[in-house]
Amino acid sequence: GQQLNQSPQSMFIQEGEDVSMNCTSSSIFNTWLWYKQDPGEGPVLLIALYKAGELTSNGRLTAQFGITRKDSFLNISASIPSDVGIYFCAGRWPGGGYQKVTFGTGTKLQVIP
Amino acid sequence: SQTIHQWPATLVQPVGSPLSLECTVEGTSNPNLYWYRQAAGRGLQLLFYSVGIGQISSEVPQNLSASRPQDRQFILSSKKLLLSDSGFYLCAWRPPTGLAGGQIQETQYFGPGTRLLVL
Repeated sequence: GQQLNQSPQSMFIQEGEDVSMNCTSSSIFNTWLWYKQDPGEGPVLLIALYKAGELTSNGRLTAQFGITRKDSFLNISASIPSDVGIYFCAGRWPGGGYQKVTFGTGTKLQVIP
Repeated sequence: SQTIHQWPATLVQPVGSPLSLECTVEGTSNPNLYWYRQAAGRGLQLLFYSVGIGQISSEVPQNLSASRPQDRQFILSSKKLLLSDSGFYLCAWRPPTGLAGGQIQETQYFGPGTRLLVL
């Protein structure tokens, strides 16, 4: 099946710093999604991307759909303590249909006040 | 507004025992329903999805099964649990298939999850 590789796996940053993480695949994806999971809860959708090269923001978060359609990036500017959590990329691939979304392994973010 | 419930929140079961996890959605009709498993330190793995009552699609062959006896009820079951079944089980719902503003409605709304430990 389709696989998504996220990096880094985890990161510690100082409050106020910017954060970058990415997600790569060996296959083309039609849609890229970024979710955040707070400890002990279900993931929440942050940003959805639909076209190669698309750049979309949600507050301090900005995500991009890579032009090769095989990668996506998420940036968080001026991090704050509530940014702590696990960030998952996810995507839908050609032929996967409406129902099937592949999730990456996650990037665990810790913010030091 | 729509809400999604899962129970139990935590479960400790011996190997070989049966399992039944329940998920219910309120405030919507004919939702698409999903069961995911999240193993420790891993991403979410889609187990089953359902587009209607009695309609179940299985994504991963294993000793789990799912049923949808009512429009807004989704049940995950096992006859005999394995150690490898331990994990965090998440139910999610999404509006029925369709486009919103020319784009597929991507948002899946996840429940609070059930943490299962098989000993």
